[in-house]
Amino acid sequence: DVKVTQSSRYLVKRTGEKVFLECVQDMDHENMFWYRQDPGLGLRLIYFSYDVKMKEKGDIPEGYSVSREKKERFSLILESASTNQTSMYLCASSFSGPGTDTQYFGPGTRLTVL
Amino acid sequence: AQTVTQSQPEMSVQEAETVTLSCTYDTSENNYYLFWYKQPPSRQMILVIRQEAYKQQNATENRFSVNFQKAAKSFSLKISDSQLGDTAMYFCAFMSGNQGGKLIFGQGTELSVKP
Repeated sequence: DVKVTQSSRYLVKRTGEKVFLECVQDMDHENMFWYRQDPGLGLRLIYFSYDVKMKEKGDIPEGYSVSREKKERFSLILESASTNQTSMYLCASSFSGPGTDTQYFGPGTRLTVL
Repeated sequence: AQTVTQSQPEMSVQEAETVTLSCTYDTSENNYYLFWYKQPPSRQMILVIRQEAYKQQNATENRFSVNFQKAAKSFSLKISDSQLGDTAMYFCAFMSGNQGGKLIFGQGTELSVKP
C-alpha cells in the first residue's frame, strides 16, 4: 500500500515563528502536493513538485515556500506564521503519466497559529 | 479557470438507503478527469471513484457509482445500501488532462449515515 506520512498531526505555533511541515512518501512517486483545507472552501493547492528540486506555485502560494531535496520528501515552510494560516494542511503524492493520476494523501497536520 | 461546485454542505441518509451527492464543474477543455474522494472523521482522504471524460460509460465501484453528464458538466455520486462507515466528508475534484496532475476540489459535502 502507498504510504504518505506527515511529521505532525497537531501543531501549535506563535505568530512570526518559522514553521516546517514535512511529508514523506514511500512509493517513488514523482509528483507531490501541498494543500490547505478550510471549512466551506474544500482543498486549495499551495505548491506542487514534479521532480526533485522542482516546484510550481499552486493557487494560494503567498506566505509559503517549499523544498524538495529528495524524491520522497516534500517540505512546506511558513516563513513567518500568521493567524490566517491556521488550517489543516494535507500532503499528497502521485505518479506521473497517463492513467496514474490518483493522488494519495497523508493524514494531515492541523496547525494552529496563536 | 476551472471550478468545481458542491451545493450540498451537509446530507444525511438512513442506513441501507441510497443517497446522491451533487457536483457540477466548469471547464472549456475536452480532456479531463473527475474524482470523488472520501475523508472519514480523523482519517486519511481516499479515492472513491474516478471518471475519464472521454468515456461515456459511468464508472462504478461496488456500492458507489457516478452519473456523468458531460454536456451538463455534472458529476454526481450515488451511494447504494449506505453503511455507517460511509459517514465522511466527500469531495468532488477535477483534473485537467493538460496540466499534469493538479486537482481542483469542490467545497465538500458532509454525509452522515444514521442507524
